[in-house]
Amino acid sequence: GQSLEQPSEVTAVEGAIVQINCTYQTSGFYGLSWYQQHDGGAPTFLSYNALDGLEETGRFSSFLSRSDSYGYLLLQELQMKDSASYFCAVRGGTGGFKTIFGAGTRLFVKA
Amino acid sequence: DGGITQSPKYLFRKEGQNVTLSCEQNLNHDAMYWYRQDPGQGLRLIYYSQIVNDFQKGDIAEGYSVSREKKESFPLTVTSAQKNPTAFYLCASSIGSGRNEQFFGPGTRLTVL
Repeated sequence: GQSLEQPSEVTAVEGAIVQINCTYQTSGFYGLSWYQQHDGGAPTFLSYNALDGLEETGRFSSFLSRSDSYGYLLLQELQMKDSASYFCAVRGGTGGFKTIFGAGTRLFVKA
Repeated sequence: DGGITQSPKYLFRKEGQNVTLSCEQNLNHDAMYWYRQDPGQGLRLIYYSQIVNDFQKGDIAEGYSVSREKKESFPLTVTSAQKNPTAFYLCASSIGSGRNEQFFGPGTRLTVL
């Protein structure tokens, strides 16, 4: 089966850097994605890693280590609008279509 | 504008009634997905479809059914067999290859009274 673990809550101050970790178990790993969801809204895609290493997209970066079944999302220069839930999601199964989400990390950004 | 739509936004039903949630996309995506989200929880996969006329069960398919007769449409029926159907339901679609970014609809909040 597939399962993911990530911290339930993280708090940081505006302008700081925060790292959200994710460990996973899956068969047939295809990649690890990150999504952001504001309260009452739909998730939106942030980043994806299929290979080991760091992917950078503006203020957001994501890292993957397949040998450790571990990844993280790094948010830099935090802004109040970054207060949201962040989900890691793993693609697996036959063909990589089955996507399982973690329970989410609630990020609170304080002034 | 290309996108994915779900209707209605809010839905109320009496216990014991089947209800069908609509999901339509005009992104020309092959893959479509249904998730359930409970308050303060993550997304749990109900069903997914890689291509027209084909779909697979996710982790919590019991009490739900789907069809994929058209590429654009992937309706979800919540049956009376689903023991705790009150939840936020999200539909998504993706190209199905590469990074397989999923695009989500706005969701339907179902309340069973």
